[in-house]
Amino acid sequence: GESVGLHLPTLSVQEGDNSIINCAYSNSASDYFIWYKQESGKGPQFIIDIRSNMDKRQGQRVTVLLNKTVKHLSLQIAATQPGDSAVYFCAETSIRGSNYKLTFGKGTLLTVNP
Amino acid sequence: DGGITQSPKYLFRKEGQNVTLSCEQNLNHDAMYWYRQDPGQGLRLIYYSQIVNDFQKGDIAEGYSVSREKKESFPLTVTSAQKNPTAFYLCASSIGRRVNEKLFFGSGTQLSVL
Repeated sequence: GESVGLHLPTLSVQEGDNSIINCAYSNSASDYFIWYKQESGKGPQFIIDIRSNMDKRQGQRVTVLLNKTVKHLSLQIAATQPGDSAVYFCAETSIRGSNYKLTFGKGTLLTVNP
Repeated sequence: DGGITQSPKYLFRKEGQNVTLSCEQNLNHDAMYWYRQDPGQGLRLIYYSQIVNDFQKGDIAEGYSVSREKKESFPLTVTSAQKNPTAFYLCASSIGRRVNEKLFFGSGTQLSVL
């Protein structure tokens, strides 16, 4: 689970292993989810998104899984590389209304060991 | 190259001083946003603008001001009323005017207090 205060959840993996980063969301009305990658001192970069009418979506080396029953989202990175080291965070919103702004999670720090 | 440009990269504020952070985009996006990021925390929305000459307060607008005189530009002023301004500030944009769309981020400005 997430830590409080300044400490992010961390995940340390060996180069070449698969990584799984988790995100729990609380709003049952959320139906659109986005994963971002943020390297140290830089702005977040879009990785992949998924709508609630899907359970799974694949990109290049990344897969997002959505479990609406338990309000849980995961990002899987295949064959993790040192360049994948960053903070990963999810964002949620609802696309049904026009005024639901994005809510961001605190993130998970992924460290890839060569 | 299309993108969002934030300047400066680093900014220092003296006691009682107002400082302005620049954000320019050449993506022809309608909406622009300012977020504040503190270590180990999720992004918090300061202000957003869906169209030129209009903007809305976010969750933590106190001590900040913005303007949107041009579609391309959305500067943020951190006023002396903001007592804890040290943070990483991120500007973002989205294609349409809806606030529940995927965001594209700039590279950020680190603001510190002298």
